[in-house]
Amino acid sequence: AQSVTQPDIHITVSEGASLELRCNYSYGATPYLFWYVQSPGQGLQLLLKYFSGDTLVQGIKGFEAEFKRSQSSFNLRKPSVHWSDAAEYFCAVGGNAGNMLTFGGGTRLMVKP
Amino acid sequence: KAGVTQTPRYLIKTRGQQVTLSCSPISGHRSVSWYQQTPGQGLQFLFEYFSETQRNKGNFPGRFSGRQFSNSRSEMNVSTLELGDSALYLCASSLAGGRASDTQYFGPGTRLTVL
Repeated sequence: AQSVTQPDIHITVSEGASLELRCNYSYGATPYLFWYVQSPGQGLQLLLKYFSGDTLVQGIKGFEAEFKRSQSSFNLRKPSVHWSDAAEYFCAVGGNAGNMLTFGGGTRLMVKP
Repeated sequence: KAGVTQTPRYLIKTRGQQVTLSCSPISGHRSVSWYQQTPGQGLQFLFEYFSETQRNKGNFPGRFSGRQFSNSRSEMNVSTLELGDSALYLCASSLAGGRASDTQYFGPGTRLTVL
């Protein structure tokens, strides 16, 4: 069965600082990996996705993620965080059954001025 | 192009009642998936519909059901509501579904409160 773990429930960073959100997955074959962001009262917005090829994936809003098969990880990074990045971030894996996604528990990001 | 729309946005029901939630996918999208989001269980897959047929189903009791119409709009129904059904219900649409590579676009959700 596929599963996703996001070890950090809450993260606080200062505005302008770099950010890395961790994601570890469990999946038997080559996974399809996604990062979504959810602002309060909103649905999920796709930041980026990985299917194959280059292991460093660029997304929207200046985010990037790196797929590391040996570590079963797909960490999300941003070099300089803006106050508007405060939200909850979800890592997800797909591929087991159609387009069903299995989500991690989420990481809530707070940005200090 | 308009995004995924869900109605109503907020709903309050009492235990034992039933509820129907609606989802209109992005124009041209034929696959609709439903997810439940709760603080305790996180985001969980309910089911996926494509061409009016349920293609995948998550691990939820039979009280949760859905359907899809010929215009790809979808509804989900929860019968005999329980307190634990209080959640944000998210709908996602994709072009064809059935493949993990199909990007899913999420709606804003329907917040259901069961009293």
